[in-house]
Amino acid sequence: QKEVEQNSGPLSVPEGAIASLNCTYSDRGSQSFFWYRQYSGKSPELIMFIYSNGDKEDGRFTAQLNKASQYVSLLIRDSQPSDSATYLCAVNRGGTDKLIFGTGTRLQVFP
Amino acid sequence: DAGVIQSPRHEVTEMGQEVTLRCKPISGHNSLFWYRQTMMRGLELLIYFNNNVPIDDSGMPEDRFSAKMPNASFSTLKIQPSEPRDSAVYFCASTPWEQADTQYFGPGTRLTVL
Repeated sequence: QKEVEQNSGPLSVPEGAIASLNCTYSDRGSQSFFWYRQYSGKSPELIMFIYSNGDKEDGRFTAQLNKASQYVSLLIRDSQPSDSATYLCAVNRGGTDKLIFGTGTRLQVFP
Repeated sequence: DAGVIQSPRHEVTEMGQEVTLRCKPISGHNSLFWYRQTMMRGLELLIYFNNNVPIDDSGMPEDRFSAKMPNASFSTLKIQPSEPRDSAVYFCASTPWEQADTQYFGPGTRLTVL
């Protein structure tokens, strides 16, 4: 079992729809959870982080965390073609500064 | 402020040659991470430093890989001898002490070993 698992996609959504990206992790000691966006040929860019159970909203983005189910998600409201990218879920390994990354979900937003 | 700086941006070399990748972290950041990204394996942590000291090098694939951080503003990742399977994008990332798990990535070095 991988430490951080994501569906590779592609996830295709129409412009204006809600995109829902999911991630599961195996280390129950993990305390910090991150979503990075990576455009093709570019470096990962941090877009959201969450530490506590529940929802955290930032503009069109909402991160959701459920530690009991070891599940993290990212919702993108009013999706735009410029949101088309690969989204990487990252989880810290409990007690360390190390981040373990999933392999990413490719999102395609079509006009 | 300048972000993480990496050089070179692209490197093409022949099998058996030595390759040195360079990274300048964001000023004031005290942790530095080296990653490798491939289509097959995704983003893998190779090694990380805290206050210039290597903390965890368990991700370094083998003895051909070595990393140094002689001071707070410079780090190198060396591969000697290089092999075609080392072809990947290598990223450097740094974090500030006050937000130790928030990593800021450099633009990466695309390495091709022929």
